[in-house]
Amino acid sequence: AQSVTQLDSQVPVFEEAPVELRCNYSSSVSVYLFWYVQYPNQGLQLLLKYLSGSTLVKGINGFEAEFNKSQTSFHLRKPSVHISDTAEYFCAVMESGQGGKLIFGQGTELSVKP
Amino acid sequence: GAVVSQHPSRVICKSGTSVKIECRSLDFQATTMFWYRQFPKKSLMLMATSNEGSKATYEQGVEKDKFLINHASLTLSTLTVTSAHPEDSSFYICSARTSGGGKDTQYFGPGTRLTVL
Repeated sequence: AQSVTQLDSQVPVFEEAPVELRCNYSSSVSVYLFWYVQYPNQGLQLLLKYLSGSTLVKGINGFEAEFNKSQTSFHLRKPSVHISDTAEYFCAVMESGQGGKLIFGQGTELSVKP
Repeated sequence: GAVVSQHPSRVICKSGTSVKIECRSLDFQATTMFWYRQFPKKSLMLMATSNEGSKATYEQGVEKDKFLINHASLTLSTLTVTSAHPEDSSFYICSARTSGGGKDTQYFGPGTRLTVL
């Protein structure tokens, strides 16, 4: 069965510092990978996605992620964070042939401090 | 990007009443929509998959008679929480799936905060 693990529940970081939010998954079939961001009391906004092609994916707000098939990882990175990046971040996996279902990781709370 | 709306954004109701939540894809057609439930400080739990013109598929442990789902058109799915109780209080989020042109992605609505008194 597929699963998604976000290794850090909370990541505190200072403004303008780099950040990496880790995500690992397990699956026996091909997958699509996603990162979503959720601000308080709001729905999820798509940051970026990997469907095929280049393993380095660039998204909105200066975020990027790299798909590493051998390590089954899809870590999210940003070279310099802003206060406004404070939010909950979810990694999600969609297995092929599963009707488009997303399985989410537990979420990582990114807290950017001045 | 694709836009998904939900209505209402928040609702307070008395125990025993029913509440309907609408999910609309505004600028695309969605043959598949999903309903999630999110508890405070928790991840999203998939409740059911809603397919246009057919019965919804519920995840294990989700009561289909309590959470009625109707997907009457390619742009609208509704979730009705019947005979709501305080334990049904939660944040309900829908998503709509695009799949055209190999761009399989779910876009999420802003969520509905349900409080049952």
